[in-house]
Amino acid sequence: EVQLVEFGGGLAQPGGSLRLSCAASGLTFSEDWMHWVRQAPGKGLVWVAQISPDGTDTNYADSVEGRFTISRDNTKNTLHLQMDSLRAEDTALYYCVREVTAMRTYYFDYWGQGTLVTVSS
Amino acid sequence: DIQMTQSPSSLSASVGDRVTITCRASQSISTYLNWYQQKPGKAPRLLIYATFKLQSGVPSRFSGSESGTDFTLTISSLQPEDFATYYCQQSYSRPRTFGPGTKVDIK
Repeated sequence: EVQLVEFGGGLAQPGGSLRLSCAASGLTFSEDWMHWVRQAPGKGLVWVAQISPDGTDTNYADSVEGRFTISRDNTKNTLHLQMDSLRAEDTALYYCVREVTAMRTYYFDYWGQGTLVTVSS
Repeated sequence: DIQMTQSPSSLSASVGDRVTITCRASQSISTYLNWYQQKPGKAPRLLIYATFKLQSGVPSRFSGSESGTDFTLTISSLQPEDFATYYCQQSYSRPRTFGPGTKVDIK
């Protein structure tokens, strides 16, 4: 059974930092593109960041570029999101997501349950 | 980045209705279009990938189609468990952008 379990969310002050993690099991983690997707309360899905299977290729949404860093540890099947210089608008539920990339089809098939980040003074 | 739009933003329908949701890409994305369903308090669930292909376990009342840069999700006969928000996503290029969502609620 595939499981993606996020943790590390919580309350942070504006300008503060948080580090999210996602523990993956039941999938070929080291072969998968992984993503963070967030959802502000009552709002839609917003892609945040992605990382290639070997960790050498990363990309970010403009809104978090320079403040967030995605990384992975393939020896521990773990995905991370280091969030610095947090703003109120970063308040959201953050999902860890696996992307299928096979036979020229690409889609997000497994999602974690999300971890809530609240940025407030 | 490719921008995705959806219409309508919300709709009210009754059980048994045929429901159609449209998604449009800002440029050609071939058939690299996916649909997700999200219920309150739950993570999104993949319904359809590559425009037409039904994810395993998804009921056959869900279907997808395309016409150029316009894509459609159809629910042939709406069931009580289908009341949810639906998102499209392009997977033609990175980043994999989402549409703003369409909320389907009970009339």
